[in-house]
Amino acid sequence: AQRVTQPEKLLSVFKGAPVELKCNYSYSGSPELFWYVQYSRQRLQLLLRHISRESIKGFTADLNKGETSFHLKKPFAQEEDSAMYYCALSSCSGAGSYQLTFGKGTKLSVIP
Amino acid sequence: DGGITQSPKYLFRKEGQNVTLSCEQNLNHDAMYWYRQDPGQGLRLIYYSQIVNDFQKGDIAEGYSVSREKKESFPLTVTSAQKNPTAFYLCASTAASGDTQYFGPGTRLTVL
Repeated sequence: AQRVTQPEKLLSVFKGAPVELKCNYSYSGSPELFWYVQYSRQRLQLLLRHISRESIKGFTADLNKGETSFHLKKPFAQEEDSAMYYCALSSCSGAGSYQLTFGKGTKLSVIP
Repeated sequence: DGGITQSPKYLFRKEGQNVTLSCEQNLNHDAMYWYRQDPGQGLRLIYYSQIVNDFQKGDIAEGYSVSREKKESFPLTVTSAQKNPTAFYLCASTAASGDTQYFGPGTRLTVL
């Protein structure tokens, strides 16, 4: 069965410091991974997905199949990055349907 | 924002009562999903539907029921059989299975 692990419930960094939110996964197939973000009083939204290889709001994430990781990184944290971040894995649940398995989330707090 | 709406925003229920949460989307998406979000638990999949008149159980379907009579609507009923229904419920949709999911604003259900 697929599994997503985010080891840190809370991560606090100072403004301007580098950020790394950890995500490890377990899946026997070819993984498709996402990072979703939930800002205060806003709905959950996609931050980035590994197949697009985009950098969104300065965040990047590289899929490392050897280490089964998809860590989210940003070189210089901003106060507006404070939010809840979820790593998610898309897996085939049969008959061409897919479902997302979410990690438990990491709350990022950027200290001014 | 927009595209996916959930109502009501807050819902209170007495023990032993069934309650239905609404989810509507005007994105012409085929697939719709219901998640439950609890503090420290991340998002857990309750039910999902790939097409009209078809739906599948997710990881925590016990005590819940759904219907998909129209493409744009996917209501969730929390029955009295659900042992711990107090939670934040999120609805999502996607154009195609495996694609990016778009989330509604959520409904917070409290059982009194």
